[in-house]
Amino acid sequence: GAVVSQHPSRVICKSGTSVKIECRSLDFQATTMFWYRQFPKQSLMLMATSNEGSKATYEQGVEKDKFLINHASLTLSTLTVTSAHPEDSSFYICSAHRLGGAYEKLFFGSGTQLSVL
Amino acid sequence: QQQVKQSPQSLIVQKGGISIINCAYENTAFDYFPWYQQFPGKGPALLIAIRPDVSEKKEGRFTISFNKSAKQFSLHIMDSQPGDSATYFCAASIGFYNQGGKLIFGQGTELSVKP
Repeated sequence: GAVVSQHPSRVICKSGTSVKIECRSLDFQATTMFWYRQFPKQSLMLMATSNEGSKATYEQGVEKDKFLINHASLTLSTLTVTSAHPEDSSFYICSAHRLGGAYEKLFFGSGTQLSVL
Repeated sequence: QQQVKQSPQSLIVQKGGISIINCAYENTAFDYFPWYQQFPGKGPALLIAIRPDVSEKKEGRFTISFNKSAKQFSLHIMDSQPGDSATYFCAASIGFYNQGGKLIFGQGTELSVKP
């Protein structure tokens, strides 16, 4: 099946630093990628939708200057958490929507656990 | 109107039993209804999905029942096994196949299957 690689799987950083998370579709092209945030025992909250070569669309309440998204190619999207603070600590998950294909078109990465000290 | 409401929040089932999780929605424009399984520290994985022109879909031990008039759909896990213990999310989407795959997730159900 199609694979979405998300890296790193876990990151610990100091307050005020920036953290970059990568999401790659390894064996397919993704016209659209999505970034979610998930707090413990809660649902996935969509943060933003990114399309290759264009600006990301952010959900209401998500700070675009804090969560920078770059969708540089059909196989790579990055999320940068700028000036991270402890309240940004969360599980971040990306998903990639496969261009073409039949039944299964959306694939999720394995997530990144961000801990801000 | 964009919400998907899921119940129960948690569920304990004996091995071999049937696990049933329910979801309800308001927006009749939703045209794709998947169920995802998520293990701790991992991303969600697609279990099974249905479109509103079908009332039931079965894949192995997993069945989706869809009631368009009631705007409800449910996941049935037959012969539940301890390995099924995970969090399950229903979701809904508008124009999933043509418009990029944006999903609205339910609140999740933590399933525990006791041996």
